Amino acid sequence: NAGVTQTPKFQVLKTGQSMTLQCAQDMNHEYMSWYRQDPGMGLRLIHYSVGAGITDQGEVPNGYNVSRSTTEDFPLRLLSAAPSQTSVYFCASSYSRVSALTEQYFGPGTRLTVT
Amino acid sequence: AQKVTQAQTEISVVEKEDVTLDCVYETRDTTYYLFWYKQPPSGELVFLIRRNSFDEQNEISGRYSWNFQKSTSSFNFTITASQVVDSAVYFCALSEALGSTLGRLYFGRGTQLTVWP
Repeated sequence: NAGVTQTPKFQVLKTGQSMTLQCAQDMNHEYMSWYRQDPGMGLRLIHYSVGAGITDQGEVPNGYNVSRSTTEDFPLRLLSAAPSQTSVYFCASSYSRVSALTEQYFGPGTRLTVT
Repeated sequence: AQKVTQAQTEISVVEKEDVTLDCVYETRDTTYYLFWYKQPPSGELVFLIRRNSFDEQNEISGRYSWNFQKSTSSFNFTITASQVVDSAVYFCALSEALGSTLGRLYFGRGTQLTVWP
């Protein structure tokens, strides 16, 4: 198993550009989520999904879109990047929302800089 | 209000010193889990420990130990005889069984630990 993979590892965008951060897991996990990490802020939940076709907002959803067309993939889209979205992004997955209480698997992170 | 507070932003110690990282949490739920994660300079998140709200036993794993006290809502982490490789950012986190937030992890802001040789 590859676990949770994220691509790219690093990305630099100009303000206003769009891009998609990819997240995939091969563990047949239903629950997936995106967090962003900012200096001095810890990690904050952006969006999450409890299964294919179902997504919901977390604490800081503005400026981000998600979709979940398959169990394996949970891409995060920035439609018009802003400097405030400069951050490190982590994808996480768990077998279910209930099991997310006790165990979540994190990807290696994507470091995004918006100039 | 923060659900998880790590009051120490940065700690510096010299190798072989003991160091305690503080974590205070807030929840109205009776069923919850507390976690510690380590983030080394390479950036990945490394899971260290999970503790549920019904188990107040302290835990020791090698040089690491955790002290969970429900009476003070604290879940502190001690590294004994610290080493340079312990230098990292350490996050405390909370998950609750409350329906609307089930599955969500609340992270503290992290404590940057630097261990000098």
